[in-house]
Amino acid sequence: KNEVEQSPQNLTAQEGEFITINCSYSVGISALHWLQQHPGGGIVSLFMLSSGKKKHGRLIATINIQEKHSSLHITASHPRDSAVYICAIFTSGSARQLTFGSGTQLTVLP
Amino acid sequence: DAGITQSPRHKVTETGTPVTLRCHQTENHRYMYWYRQDPGHGLRLIHYSYGVKDTDKGEVSDGYSVSRSKTEDFLLTLESATSSQTSVYFCAISEFPLGTGRGTEAFFGQGTRLTVV
Repeated sequence: KNEVEQSPQNLTAQEGEFITINCSYSVGISALHWLQQHPGGGIVSLFMLSSGKKKHGRLIATINIQEKHSSLHITASHPRDSAVYICAIFTSGSARQLTFGSGTQLTVLP
Repeated sequence: DAGITQSPRHKVTETGTPVTLRCHQTENHRYMYWYRQDPGHGLRLIHYSYGVKDTDKGEVSDGYSVSRSKTEDFLLTLESATSSQTSVYFCAISEFPLGTGRGTEAFFGQGTRLTVV
């Protein structure tokens, strides 16, 4: 049983398309983290959010605490957005631990 | 980018040998973490540290030990490497406990690819 489920596992898009990656979780959380893992392996923090919506450039993250669901959107996608996108949750009562989804592999074709 | 350096970046070792991975940070963050990443799994916590000489186990700690004698360094040791420990290892740091609502987040190193043959 995985507490964090991401969908889709793999996503291929054409340059310019609007992309949505979903994250569902089954436990109470204090916050949720979206991360990007580059083809070279490095992991970069994109957003941390506990309610509502955050925007940074072409990236938008939303969370619905009641529905236990978060989405990461990429507008006007570009080949350089190709990466693995990882959702991770801070479970309530386990402030020192993150529980990770298995990631969504995004490929944006020129 | 947060100042986190993992060494080595790649290592091949034989079954039964000891291996130590190093995580070095220049951010003076109190909390440090070791994760492993395997295909089909999300990153899983091995051990973490909440201060110098203060460490605790994560969900996959068997076969691993850690030490933190200085704020900036967190060492992960495989006492006797096994093939099941072939993985990519990530170190992460945070200024405050993760997800405590103080705006903290985790910053990750570049990873160490370990192969046990």
